Amino acid sequence: GENVEQHPSTLSVQEGDSAVIKCTYSDSASNYFPWYKQELGKRPQLIIDIRSNVGEKKDQRIAVTLNKTAKHFSLHITETQPEDSAVYFCAATNDMRFGAGTRLTVKP
Amino acid sequence: GAGVSQSPRYKVAKRGQDVALRCDPISGHVSLFWYQQALGQGPEFLTYFQNEAQLDKSGLPSDRFFAERPEGSVSTLKIQRTQKEDSAVYLCASSLGGLAGVGFYEQYFGPGTRLTVT
Repeated sequence: GENVEQHPSTLSVQEGDSAVIKCTYSDSASNYFPWYKQELGKRPQLIIDIRSNVGEKKDQRIAVTLNKTAKHFSLHITETQPEDSAVYFCAATNDMRFGAGTRLTVKP
Repeated sequence: GAGVSQSPRYKVAKRGQDVALRCDPISGHVSLFWYQQALGQGPEFLTYFQNEAQLDKSGLPSDRFFAERPEGSVSTLKIQRTQKEDSAVYLCASSLGGLAGVGFYEQYFGPGTRLTVT
């Protein structure tokens, strides 16, 4: 099965700075890579996803990049805001294993 | 429309008791997943259904865990003879399509059931 590793486990940035979270995966057959945001006590919510036929996808302040050769993908958040503070999880199909999560804190 | 719902939201069980956790997926969603999330950890995959077929149960931690989705809609996760290490949030998610290939769709998560075993 898939093995997904996520780094860093915690990340603290100043409001307005950028944040980058990285994930690596092991199964070269994986072709769908979602990122979820989970606020304390709430359910995970999809914030962006990318399929293996593209290298980058952007949605306002959030972007995801994928390097299939190296089997890693990254979440980029620009102009961070305090409401971005949450735990972020990556996942890789084909069998939907999640990374261990990154706790992002944005300091005002 | 209605999202994924789970019941109960909270469950306290004494060690050794059996529990049953229910998931109502979004209507029409083919795929249904169960995850176990310990405090401060990522969701750990338990099992996956496509319609009524349980295609992957490799994540179930022991034979005390059993899941079913008999009519391809509502699913129940049953834990027999609960142990303290079973304490966690159990998340259910559903998606429109199946796994693998280009047909994978976004997962929608339920609010979870917080199970505490005393």
